[in-house]
Amino acid sequence: DSGVTQTPKHLITATGQRVTLRCSPRSGDLSVYWYQQSLDQGLQFLIQYYNGEERAKGNILERFSAQQFPDLHSELNLSSLELGDSALYFCASSPGQGMGEQFFGPGTRLTVL
Amino acid sequence: AQSVAQPEDQVNVAEGNPLTVKCTYSVSGNPYLFWYVQYPNRGLQFLLKYITGDNLVKGSYGFEAEFNKSQTSFHLKKPSALVSDSALYFCAVRDRGGYSSASKIIFGSGTRLSIRP
Repeated sequence: DSGVTQTPKHLITATGQRVTLRCSPRSGDLSVYWYQQSLDQGLQFLIQYYNGEERAKGNILERFSAQQFPDLHSELNLSSLELGDSALYFCASSPGQGMGEQFFGPGTRLTVL
Repeated sequence: AQSVAQPEDQVNVAEGNPLTVKCTYSVSGNPYLFWYVQYPNRGLQFLLKYITGDNLVKGSYGFEAEFNKSQTSFHLKKPSALVSDSALYFCAVRDRGGYSSASKIIFGSGTRLSIRP
């Protein structure tokens, strides 16, 4: 158990809908990262927050947004969902700004029908 | 542009034999390099990292990796494979521009390691 929690574990929704994925980092970790893992795209870095502020941005679509709250938990919002958004979404956390190891949560499996 | 390549989709090794999972990278300047492992239906787990110093890095579960700057490689190795090592392995790189908004982590496409008894 990495200490990173993600909810929900599974999410099934329809095209055009909006969903919110939640992540609680390990106690004391200030950075939160979001990743998308799909069969055709592999593991893609989406975005990183450090202590409430955006720190690095990857291949995140404009339809997706994220934030980190004062209690350091993070939410990833996915809107206008498309079939291709179906994937496993991982959250990870680290104590610092990203030069060391990251601790991954169990993931949220999103299925868009 | 920053990139990571894992040239083998799958590596098959007999238990007890040495294993190597290959990784090459392209990044401006000196990189931070990582190896992670993913077991079925689980998140990624950290194995080891290279930040600076000794080119041979030792990590979890008996794995090690060698940083080779001239060949821009960071291959993962283990002297004697176990069936329980069967999993998906990812190499990752982050450039040292870590305080700019352009810095990001790139993962390789993954290599599936299969250890046969």
